[in-house]
Amino acid sequence: DAEITQSPRHKITETGRQVTLACHQTWNHNNMFWYRQDLGHGLRLIHYSYGVHDTNKGEVSDGYSVSRSNTEDLPLTLESAASSQTSVYFCASSDRDRGLDEAFFGQGTRLTVV
Amino acid sequence: QQQVKQSPQSLIVQKGGISIINCAYENTAFDYFPWYQQFPGKGPALLIAIRPDVSEKKEGRFTISFNKSAKQFSLHIMDSQPGDSATYFCAATTPGGSGSARQLTFGSGTQLTVLP
Repeated sequence: DAEITQSPRHKITETGRQVTLACHQTWNHNNMFWYRQDLGHGLRLIHYSYGVHDTNKGEVSDGYSVSRSNTEDLPLTLESAASSQTSVYFCASSDRDRGLDEAFFGQGTRLTVV
Repeated sequence: QQQVKQSPQSLIVQKGGISIINCAYENTAFDYFPWYQQFPGKGPALLIAIRPDVSEKKEGRFTISFNKSAKQFSLHIMDSQPGDSATYFCAATTPGGSGSARQLTFGSGTQLTVLP
């Protein structure tokens, strides 16, 4: 079955370190998104991509970057981790060509910055 | 600036009762309103969705009521069950332009607990 997977599921890192969170989807979806989830804020969009080599900033993009070298993967990099980036991160994908509006989410990565 | 406001933040309902979660939006360009259900340790999953050309959509025990003039929509869970205990998010999207996709704007979430 097609799916979207995130790794790692849990990560503890130190302030100032570079961290990369992986997202891999096997639906061949064009669109991929990264959200962070914090209590009281719902899910907020960090970065998104409409296809290979396309990336765009979302609502809370400062301190994060993404790259899209193929259809399946959209890794999220924290350039210099800060305590404010402690959160649960969700990757999602959707398919523009099918005209569907549903976004499929991964199971999340819980990141703790100490 | 929160474009979709959701209430209440938490809700406790007895088994068999009706759970009601409300959302209000500001952006009149929104044209698709999904609800997502999230269980602990899992990602959100689409539960039900509505477009503004209808005032109500029902799927099983779940109903969305939509009031375009008031810019409000709500989720009703009839005959609530302990298995419905989860966090519920309302969301809204604007039409995607050429070559673009819809972006979801989420409400802040409601943690629903259904007591046995």
